[in-house]
Amino acid sequence: KAGVTQTPRYLIKTRGQQVTLSCSPISGHRSVSWYQQTPGQGLQFLFEYFSETQRNKGNFPGRFSGRQFSNSRSEMNVSTLELGDSALYLCASSLLGQGDTEAFFGQGTRLTVV
Amino acid sequence: QKEVEQNSGPLSVPEGAIASLNCTYSDRGSQSFFWYRQYSGKSPELIMSIYSNGDKEDGRFTAQLNKASQYVSLLIRDSQPSDSATYLCALCFYNQGGKLIFGQGTELSVKP
Repeated sequence: KAGVTQTPRYLIKTRGQQVTLSCSPISGHRSVSWYQQTPGQGLQFLFEYFSETQRNKGNFPGRFSGRQFSNSRSEMNVSTLELGDSALYLCASSLLGQGDTEAFFGQGTRLTVV
Repeated sequence: QKEVEQNSGPLSVPEGAIASLNCTYSDRGSQSFFWYRQYSGKSPELIMSIYSNGDKEDGRFTAQLNKASQYVSLLIRDSQPSDSATYLCALCFYNQGGKLIFGQGTELSVKP
């Protein structure tokens, strides 16, 4: 069974640009969550999608947005990039995204903003 | 106060010893708990999940949950150098969908 696939693995962008990251969950999983990981802040929750609906959102500015498609694949978009957006972006997939279901992470997208 | 707290370490143990990693949390709501391992430059890998008080064993790993005292721990028996990594404790509230709240992680170093 294929795991969680994130593309691209690495990105270098310039301040002010926008970026779109993609996440394909494990087959059959309907919940996709996104996280930002930085050395200073650790793993921070961005948002969670289930059946194409955003169910939960973390404390990030509106420049961070996402969506989920009918096949459960998800995209995350960051507009007007800032230097502080440089981070590892991780998505996690789970079967139903309920508190008692396990979540599995993709390999992440390393975003560098210059 | 952070919702999930872990000692950042590094925690250093000799090969073959028991490594004990601890995590405390501040909210008494209904949650489930997870331990992830993250090697440098890699993504988190799920090791254990625990949902009710007591111990849960899986190979060399034992997770312990005490909801009254609000802590969860991970014991690694017969530690190996390959266990050297950062261990992340996470909790998930039952009424918040798939949102995981992570601690800062504890760096474990197993010395040969």
